[in-house]
Amino acid sequence: DAKTTQPTSMDCAEGRAANLPCNHSTISGNEYVYWYRQIHSQGPQYIIHGLKNNETNEMASLIITEDRKSSTLILPHATLRDTAVYYCIVRRSGANSKLTFGKGITLSVRP
Amino acid sequence: DAGVIQSPRHEVTEMGQEVTLRCKPISGHNSLFWYRQTMMRGLELLIYFNNNVPIDDSGMPEDRFSAKMPNASFSTLKIQPSEPRDSAVYFCASSARLAGARTDTQYFGPGTRLTVL
Repeated sequence: DAKTTQPTSMDCAEGRAANLPCNHSTISGNEYVYWYRQIHSQGPQYIIHGLKNNETNEMASLIITEDRKSSTLILPHATLRDTAVYYCIVRRSGANSKLTFGKGITLSVRP
Repeated sequence: DAGVIQSPRHEVTEMGQEVTLRCKPISGHNSLFWYRQTMMRGLELLIYFNNNVPIDDSGMPEDRFSAKMPNASFSTLKIQPSEPRDSAVYFCASSARLAGARTDTQYFGPGTRLTVL
């Protein structure tokens, strides 16, 4: 599976949009971009995933560049409860493909 | 939906003792995963099952670790004998691969925090 590169940390103000970048320049055509987050002392939580089109759900939006070499997770109105480690993961399609977690980016939402 | 259920939530044991961690996947899910998380190594996949059959156990650290899935609603991860370096948080996750779907989504349990003294 392709590797991903994320900044180590970032912060944003409560109520503002949080834009979390991810680089995956070696992604191949059959690989999806997944985002998970892990709030302190909890299990990882699925946020969203996409292949090449932008995606939106009740939690976030995922913007994937046309060349698919990078993506941005957008939390439109960050709250203090969104403080967590966010993992960007590239995962191939098909049976038995793994989720490989990197170090992620620590998002701190300040009051 | 109850989500993935793990027990116990916390386990403290002494070196050499046997430890059994338990997982109940989400009803209807046909894949189950065991992960381990430590500060040093992050989140690592240990083993996963599809339709109760172990598919890939290459992440299992050594023979002291074993995992079983006797039925679709229950799995165990056993460490025997336990060692201090096994101290970690162990997560179970499950997913459902729908017919014709190209991918699936894993849902994680709350984890078991294991401390081996």
